[in-house]
Order: sequence, then structure tokens, then C-alpha cells
Amino acid sequence: SQTIHQWPATLVQPVGSPLSLECTVEGTSNPNLYWYRQAAGRGLQLLFYSVGIGQISSEVPQNLSASRPQDRQFILSSKKLLLSDSGFYLCAWGPGQGVRGTDTQYFGPGTRLTVL
Amino acid sequence: AQSVAQPEDQVKVAEGNPLTVKCTYSVSGNPYLFWYVQYPNRGLQFLLKYITGDNLVKGSYGFEAEFNKSQTSFHLKKPSALVSDSALYFCAVRDVGNTPLVFGKGTRLSVIA
Repeated sequence: SQTIHQWPATLVQPVGSPLSLECTVEGTSNPNLYWYRQAAGRGLQLLFYSVGIGQISSEVPQNLSASRPQDRQFILSSKKLLLSDSGFYLCAWGPGQGVRGTDTQYFGPGTRLTVL
Repeated sequence: AQSVAQPEDQVKVAEGNPLTVKCTYSVSGNPYLFWYVQYPNRGLQFLLKYITGDNLVKGSYGFEAEFNKSQTSFHLKKPSALVSDSALYFCAVRDVGNTPLVFGKGTRLSVIA
């Protein structure tokens, strides 16, 4: 069966510090991978998605970036955090071979980021 | 562009009563519709999805959803609510354009004992 991991689970960082959040998927190959941000326990904002190694689509221009160095690894980064970057960051995966309408996305446990 | 709306920020029901969480959608092609549930400080859990066929879709934990094309709705239902159903519920949509899921803002369900 497939599993998705995120770490760290919680993170407290000062404004202006760098960020690296990691997401890995087990039990599948060539997954589609996604980063979402959830503010204040409500709606989800899609940040990035990837359909393959080195292929990143950015949905929102901001001070965050994403990379996919390996097939089942997706990293969210920032060089300098802002207060507004605080939130709950969710990674998700879906079956590969391109994005199809019927594909379900499965979510990881999330990372709670607080920027002070 | 595809979009989904959840018109109620919060729904409160008594335990044992039926519950409905509403969702309406807008897509250019055929819709693929999903429901997820989120418990505090957890990731989203997939409940069910509508692809094609029967308008009544059955999912996990006794939930079901009814697809209504004429009303562009996909409401989540359960015949008898449990206190443990209290959580945040998200509706999501994707059309044939092959894009990531687009989520509604979520509806907070409170089931009162």
C-alpha cells in the first residue's frame, strides 16, 4: 500500500530564516505530487504541483519554491520566511502518467509552520 | 475555470439526525467531484468521489453524496450523524482539463450529543 510522509510535523521559525519541508511517498512510482497551504484551519491553496522529476508548476507567485530531486520526494523551500508564511502545509500525491480527471489525491499528515 | 462553492461555513446537527453538507460546482466539461474530511491538525482523508454513472455515491464511514447535474450540486449526506463525525469537510472538483483538484473553503460540521 502507498504511504506519504511529511516532516517535520511542527516547526517554529523566525522571520527571515530559511525553510525546507520534505514530503516522500512510498509504494508507488512516478506519482503526481502537490503542495497546498491551509491558513487558519480553512481553505486549501495550491502552491505547486509536479508530474515528474524536475517538472514543477507554480500556482502562486511568492517567496516559496519547490523541487523534486527524486521520483517520490517533493521539497518546499524558502530563502527568507515572512510572517504570512505561517500555516499548515499539506503534501499530496496522486497516480502518475499525467493528471487524469478521475485521479484521487491522497494527503500527508501535514506540517504546522509558525513564523515569529 | 473550474470552481466549487460550499455555501455554509458551519453546520450543526444533533446526534442521530441526518446531516447534509452542501457543495455546488462550476466546470466547463464533465465534472469529477470529491469529498474529503479533515480532523484537527491532520491531513485530509478521502471520503468518496463521483466519476460517472449512478448519481448516488457511497463512501467511507457511512457517508454518501448525491450528484445533481441540473443543479450543479454534490451534497454530502449521512442518515444518522455521530459525534465523531464532527470535523471540517471539503468538496473538490476537477474537470476534463487535467488539473489539480480545486477545493472549496470547507464546512465545519458539529454534531451535538
